[in-house]
Amino acid sequence: LAKTTQPISMDSYEGQEVNITCSHNNIATNDYITWYQQFPSQGPRFIIQGYKTKVTNEVASLFIPADRKSSTLSLPRVSLSDTAVYYCLVGGPGAGKSTFGDGTTLTVKP
Amino acid sequence: NAGVTQTPKFRVLKTGQSMTLLCAQDMNHEYMYWYRQDPGMGLRLIHYSVGEGTTAKGEVPDGYNVSRLKKQNFLLGLESAAPSQTSVYFCASSYGLAGVETQYFGPGTRLLVL
Repeated sequence: LAKTTQPISMDSYEGQEVNITCSHNNIATNDYITWYQQFPSQGPRFIIQGYKTKVTNEVASLFIPADRKSSTLSLPRVSLSDTAVYYCLVGGPGAGKSTFGDGTTLTVKP
Repeated sequence: NAGVTQTPKFRVLKTGQSMTLLCAQDMNHEYMYWYRQDPGMGLRLIHYSVGEGTTAKGEVPDGYNVSRLKKQNFLLGLESAAPSQTSVYFCASSYGLAGVETQYFGPGTRLLVL
């Protein structure tokens, strides 16, 4: 299983861009990288997924370098409602092969 | 379309008691999962199922059993609850493989074992 490492916590201010990096040195060839967001007392919800290079959707961008040993979730112009825990998940074929790390607690201040 | 629902939302058990947590999904997903989340920690996979009638062990299966008799339901059982099983339990489902396909999570069940 690919182990992931993320910063425990990050602080930011409203309107700033936030970048959260996840390390996954032993990522397998078939593994995808997925990010989830979790608010208190709720289940995680999907943000974005990628395999290589860059992926962008309406809420975030995901940057993956060529060696795929790390990935960076980018949240543009964060607001107070983006305060949450963000999880990087690495996994591929085989339902039991996905591993959640301990997540990064993002606190957005006014 | 309710998505993934979990029953009950909260439960208090005494050590040695048994209980079953119910997860239901209405998205016709093949894959279902049970996770536990301890305070300040990430999610750890307990058991999972790749289809009706199948189950498999995850990262922390000891002390739990599961059944998937119907495609839409995934049951998690605790035969003899222990204080170490105090946690929040999340169920999830996905159309395809977990690492590739999006997992949809339920709201969680908070379990306190005294």
